[in-house]
Amino acid sequence: DQQVKQNSPSLSVQEGRISILNCDYTNSMFDYFLWYKKYPAEGPTFLISISSIKDKNEDGRFTVFLNKSAKHLSLHIVPSQPGDSAVYFCAASRLTGGGNKLTFGTGTQLKVEL
Amino acid sequence: DTEVTQTPKHLVMGMTNKKSLKCEQHMGHRAMYWYKQKAKKPPELMFVYSYEKLSINESVPSRFSPECPNSSLLNLHLHALQPEDSALYLCASSPSGGVRVNYEQYFGPGTRLTVT
Repeated sequence: DQQVKQNSPSLSVQEGRISILNCDYTNSMFDYFLWYKKYPAEGPTFLISISSIKDKNEDGRFTVFLNKSAKHLSLHIVPSQPGDSAVYFCAASRLTGGGNKLTFGTGTQLKVEL
Repeated sequence: DTEVTQTPKHLVMGMTNKKSLKCEQHMGHRAMYWYKQKAKKPPELMFVYSYEKLSINESVPSRFSPECPNSSLLNLHLHALQPEDSALYLCASSPSGGVRVNYEQYFGPGTRLTVT
């Protein structure tokens, strides 16, 4: 049961344009959402996050939007740069009795072309 | 400094071997995590340590044995693994333990494990 889904396994964007990566979730207990970037042979790198009480968070070129009623979030990267080429994972967090649990989506391979 | 280090980078072991993976952070984080990632799949949570105590075990087989000797170190002891256990093992840490002051988890580069 995949509770966090990224339906686009890959995305190709031209340099300077906007990249939009999408993520859907099913569990209404998730209350915090994060985006990670991963290069081959490296661990995921935290990019940006958003609490479920907000609908937008911005950090430089990166903006995350959350539509709680649709259980959907998106990451906008503008302008896209070749160095942004990587796999992007969205992750959803919920607090359990044992602590903070992250559930990752399946990832989207972003390729930014010159 | 948001660095989590993991050793070794690569490990090849036979099914009868005993080995250990090591993870270290010096950010003062009080929660540490082990994840397993298979090729083209997302990371999957294995264990969570909060304030040096095991707080979450995601029904991981006993051939994987975690240990948290102190607040900076996390080990994963491996024994009698199967070839299907071959994967990238990721360690992560986050500032908060039981109280969610900060939610982000910071990951190490991982150990690529191959079981032969």
